[in-house]
Amino acid sequence: NAGVTQTPKFQVLKTGQSMTLQCAQDMNHEYMSWYRQDPGMGLRLIHYSVGAGITDQGEVPNGYNVSRSTTEDFPLRLLSAAPSQTSVYFCASSYAAGGDTDTQYFGPGTRLTVL
Amino acid sequence: DAKTTQPTSMDCAEGRAANLPCNHSTISGNEYVYWYRQIHSQGPQYIIHGLKNNETNEMASLIITEDRKSSTLILPHATLRDTAVYYCIVRSRAQKLVFGQGTRLTINP
Repeated sequence: NAGVTQTPKFQVLKTGQSMTLQCAQDMNHEYMSWYRQDPGMGLRLIHYSVGAGITDQGEVPNGYNVSRSTTEDFPLRLLSAAPSQTSVYFCASSYAAGGDTDTQYFGPGTRLTVL
Repeated sequence: DAKTTQPTSMDCAEGRAANLPCNHSTISGNEYVYWYRQIHSQGPQYIIHGLKNNETNEMASLIITEDRKSSTLILPHATLRDTAVYYCIVRSRAQKLVFGQGTRLTINP
């Protein structure tokens, strides 16, 4: 299994541009989530999904959209990039939200800089 | 409000046991103690979790006090590759993972 994969690894955007961060997992996990991590800080939850077709907001959802059309993919869209969105973005997945098998597996991250 | 309190940083000699404390005095009966670590800029990695009893796996041991208000993560024979930020997280099964600042553990040769 490849686990959780994220693309791209690095991205530089100009203010106002839009882009999509890709996340995919091949473990048939139902639960997927996006976090951002600012320098020297812990991770903050942006959006999450408990299954295909179901998404919900996390702690810091403003400026981001998500959709979950398949179990495997959970893309994160930046609608109009702002310098405040400069961060490292991590995608995570787990077998289920809650229950005995909800250990989350994290991807390698996407390092985004907005100029 | 933070549910856990951890020291900002700790040092440990290579080959010795690293003991990382975590205070969670307001923990509820249905909340678990989880530990994750993040090795330099990588995605966080699950280590271990527990509810009441002490737990051990191939990576670490988790010791939870009888009143459940604090716990200790033990890395029995620390190596240089264990240098990382360690996060202690308290959550129920229905709650999301909430990461605090964690403890920056440095293993010294």
